[in-house]
Amino acid sequence: AQSVTQLGSHVSVSEGALVLLRCNYSSSVPPYLFWYVQYPNQGLQLLLKYTTGATLVKGINGFEAEFKKSETSFHLTKPSAHMSDAAEYFCAVSPSGGYQKVTFGIGTKLQVIP
Amino acid sequence: EAGVAQSPRYKIIEKRQSVAFWCNPISGHATLYWYQQILGQGPKLLIQFQNNGVVDDSQLPKDRFSAERLKGVDSTLKIQPAKLEDSAVYLCASSLVRKRGEKLFFGSGTQLSVL
Repeated sequence: AQSVTQLGSHVSVSEGALVLLRCNYSSSVPPYLFWYVQYPNQGLQLLLKYTTGATLVKGINGFEAEFKKSETSFHLTKPSAHMSDAAEYFCAVSPSGGYQKVTFGIGTKLQVIP
Repeated sequence: EAGVAQSPRYKIIEKRQSVAFWCNPISGHATLYWYQQILGQGPKLLIQFQNNGVVDDSQLPKDRFSAERLKGVDSTLKIQPAKLEDSAVYLCASSLVRKRGEKLFFGSGTQLSVL
């Protein structure tokens, strides 16, 4: 069965500092990978996704993630944190075969310190 | 474009009572999902519909949970009777097609407290 592990349920960064949120996946074949963000009192929205092709994917709001098969990782980064980035971030995985079934990690709450 | 609509926004009930949640997906979206998000955990898929047919309900506690999507548009999720451990946010999501890698659009959720 596929799964994702998010390291660190809470991450704090200073405004302007690098954001790095870690995600490792477990799957017998390379899956499709996603990052979703949830702002307070809002639904989850897609930040970016990897399906096939280029392993470095760019998303909204300056975020990007790199699929590394050898490390089974899909870490999310942003060069410079803004106060508006404070939210909860979910890594998710879906099999590349069969129908879509999206499995989410437990989430990482990002705090941005002024 | 209107988003995924869910109601009610909050619900407080006592254990052993019944409760129902409603979801209206984005117009034209064939696939509808219900997720359960317990505090401190990620969303867990309960049931997935393709039009009005069930694609996956392997994690739905069928002794107390039921869901339907009549006419392939809006959907209701029911819990009867509720237990304390059902306290969670119930999220509805939809996608245009069932294609792998397709983006999910989420509603704001219904927060259920079972006392």
